[in-house]
Amino acid sequence: QKEVEQNSGPLSVPEGAIASLNCTYSDRGSQSFFWYRQYSGKSPELIMFIYSNGDKEDGRFTAQLNKASQYVSLLIRDSQPSDSATYLCAVIPPGSGGYQKVTFGTGTKLQVIP
Amino acid sequence: DADVTQTPRNRITKTGKRIMLECSQTKGHDRMYWYRQDPGLGLRLIYYSFDVKDINKGEISDGYSVSRQAQAKFSLSLESAIPNQTALYFCATRTGQTGELFFGEGSRLTVL
Repeated sequence: QKEVEQNSGPLSVPEGAIASLNCTYSDRGSQSFFWYRQYSGKSPELIMFIYSNGDKEDGRFTAQLNKASQYVSLLIRDSQPSDSATYLCAVIPPGSGGYQKVTFGTGTKLQVIP
Repeated sequence: DADVTQTPRNRITKTGKRIMLECSQTKGHDRMYWYRQDPGLGLRLIYYSFDVKDINKGEISDGYSVSRQAQAKFSLSLESAIPNQTALYFCATRTGQTGELFFGEGSRLTVL
């Protein structure tokens, strides 16, 4: 079982709709969760992080964490064509100690259709 | 200037050649990482380093080696390159105070 799993997509949504991206992780003791956005040919950039169960909102983005079910999701409201990118889920698994290994999922490609 | 700089940005080489990818950072972060990205496989961790005295293998370290020459420099070497090492390689840095990884612009390596 992969440590971090995502549906590769592509996920296609119309402009203005809500895009919902999901990620599951295998290590129950994982503490820190991140969403990165990567445009084609570019480096990943952080858009959200979440540490506690529940929702965290930042502008049009909401991260949701459910540790009991071991999933983390990202909602993008009022999706724009500029949101078209690959979204990478990342987790710091338990046992990393001070080294804090950061493990990524394979990414979900989002296409926002004008 | 970029905070995390990778060189070279693009490299084409032949099977069996030794290749070094270099990464330097001006962010003052202690943690440095090398990832490999292949289509459909996301980012896979090759090596990571807590400080100059600490090097750790990631999930795909076979065929690679690293050197942490200073807090700001972390190099990735392919001793004898093979075609399936053709990929996009990213260096990243991180401080323990936040979770965020800061990535370089990537080094595209092609092994013929």
